[in-house]
Amino acid sequence: TQLLEQSPQFLSIQEGENLTVYCNSSSVFSSLQWYRQEPGEGPVLLVTVVTGGEVKKLKRLTFQFGDARKDSSLHITAAQPGDTGLYLCARSWGKLQFGAGTQVVVTP
Amino acid sequence: EAQVTQNPRYLITVTGKKLTVTCSQNMNHEYMSWYRQDPGLGLRQIYYSMNVEVTDKGDVPEGYKVSRKEKRNFPLILESPSPNQTSLYFCASRPGGGGGHRGEQFFGPGTRLTVL
Repeated sequence: TQLLEQSPQFLSIQEGENLTVYCNSSSVFSSLQWYRQEPGEGPVLLVTVVTGGEVKKLKRLTFQFGDARKDSSLHITAAQPGDTGLYLCARSWGKLQFGAGTQVVVTP
Repeated sequence: EAQVTQNPRYLITVTGKKLTVTCSQNMNHEYMSWYRQDPGLGLRQIYYSMNVEVTDKGDVPEGYKVSRKEKRNFPLILESPSPNQTSLYFCASRPGGGGGHRGEQFFGPGTRLTVL
């Protein structure tokens, strides 16, 4: 059983569309990280959120941490093919625990 | 360039033949860890090390060994590989020897292992 549930598992959209992926847990996160992994490479950190209700922006990516610190979302505005990748959330609980990821494919 | 390197990148072997996957980082990080990534399961931690000579089991340690004799190197050893260890393996490092989030975790490029 995954401690971190990510949804959807797979998302295919056209360039220019918006998308949102989710990361949920029944437990409280002390902090949460979002990573993006491209084929043939290791995950790369996008952002760390720590405070409940926190919103962070990274260009067209908006990260939100739920008020209760049990969930998080990643919203991409006007997606581009370069946004294609596996998006992983990970909670820090003494060590990092990862969700299974959301595979995002953005077609031109 | 700050990086985590792994070797080999690809390996096909047979059941029972001992192998070692090397991992090295040049960022002077205290914390290093090994993960395996399987479809639908995400990244699962195999072993981690908070500093030289300090290692501990992660979530899926069975069938693996590690050592941390130097700060920069953290090899993963499979004494007797089995087909269920076929997976994509990642080494990672970050600063800070304690628990909790302390800085970004840097991942190597991965080693794809197939055990026949």
